[in-house]
Formats: sequence, C-alpha cells, structure tokens
Amino acid sequence: SQQGEEDPQALSIQEGENATMNCSYKTSINNLQWYRQNSGRGLVHLILIRSNEREKHSGRLRVTLDTSKKSSSLLITASRAADTASYFCATDPLDSNYQLIWGAGTKLIIKP
Amino acid sequence: GEEVAQTPKHLVRGEGQKAKLYCAPIKGHSYVFWYQQVLKNEFKFLISFQNENVFDETGMPKERFSAKCLPNSPCSLEIQATKLEDSAVYFCASSQWAGEETQYFGPGTRLLVL
Repeated sequence: SQQGEEDPQALSIQEGENATMNCSYKTSINNLQWYRQNSGRGLVHLILIRSNEREKHSGRLRVTLDTSKKSSSLLITASRAADTASYFCATDPLDSNYQLIWGAGTKLIIKP
Repeated sequence: GEEVAQTPKHLVRGEGQKAKLYCAPIKGHSYVFWYQQVLKNEFKFLISFQNENVFDETGMPKERFSAKCLPNSPCSLEIQATKLEDSAVYFCASSQWAGEETQYFGPGTRLLVL
C-alpha cells in the first residue's frame, strides 16, 4: 500500500529558483529517503534522514523531517536544468522488514 | 562490483511467455530488494533477500512470480506465463545491512508484455 504522498505532483520553475517538494506518510518510520529518477534512467539516491534527525544537507539539497506531522520536505536551491527529473520519497516503516514504501513522486521541470 | 547491475536492459515477451530478470548486487551487500514500477508511478515492493534466504516476500504475487539469490550467481526474478499487466520496470536494489541503510538501485529492466 502507498505510504508516501507527495505534493505537488508536478512543479515547473525557472532555472536558478528554488524547488520545494513535500512528502507525507502514514506510519512510524526508521528513516525516510529521497531519490531522483531521470527520464529513462534508474534511481539515484539523494539523501537519507533518520527518524531522530530533523534536518540534513547535501550540497544544494536540504531535507527536513517532522515526525510529529509525518512529513518531509526536499528543497533544491539554485536549480539547474539537470535537476529536471522525478523525485520520490520512500519510507522505511518500523514494522516493514526494511522494504521501502514509496510515494507517487513529484515531476520537476526546470525551464532554462 | 561497485554498482548494482541488472540484465537485460529491455525484455519483450508475448503474453503467456516466461520472463527472467537478473540482478548482481554490490559486492559485500547482504540484502537484495526487488521493486516493480508501473507507468513511471510509485514503486511496489516485491521481495527481499538476506544473502540467499528470502527475507520478506509479502509483495510477491503468489502464482506466477518467483525469485532466487543463489551463492556465486546473480539474483533472479522469474515471471511464468506473463500477463499484459506485468509490463513495468523492475528494479533491484541492494544494501549492506538492513535498517537505517541506503538501498542502492540498479538501472532497472524494462519488461514489455505484448
């Protein structure tokens, strides 16, 4: 069953702007992970945030986690054309035997 | 290897035919996961292995899907008597341990059932 729900479903911004994507989930988790999927390609792992962490940075990426609201956000700063992709959040629920449960993704388009 | 390898990249089968997909996890990783992605939408977990043992098979369709991870061989996912709705991209992922661990994904096998 779907655990994560992401919004927006699609986001189109100008190059250089910041992009924010949100993910909500339903059950308690061990961690939450964000992945990027370029058109026609596989998944690239972006960042993992554990349930006891509130914020994590990696380059131009900033992820927040609010376990009380069961939500996470991914911020991409100073977007580039190469950031055009679909972004998925995936949770590792506490009782799931480590299988990741996925949201439907946000399709991000960066306009030059 | 340093990356998860999946073969073939593309697979076309007529309805009712068998399909077999392969995955070589990253060397040293103990856990292998299979996911199905239909129409670029959300991923559905199928099965996971801890070394050659099935760890969790709660996502596997019981009747036509089977999977193995044998020592010194790539892991495999086999679909007997494929159906149109099996058309999807099948991703394999591996992780060193389970729990609080990044899963590293292969490039996927795109299965088209005609």
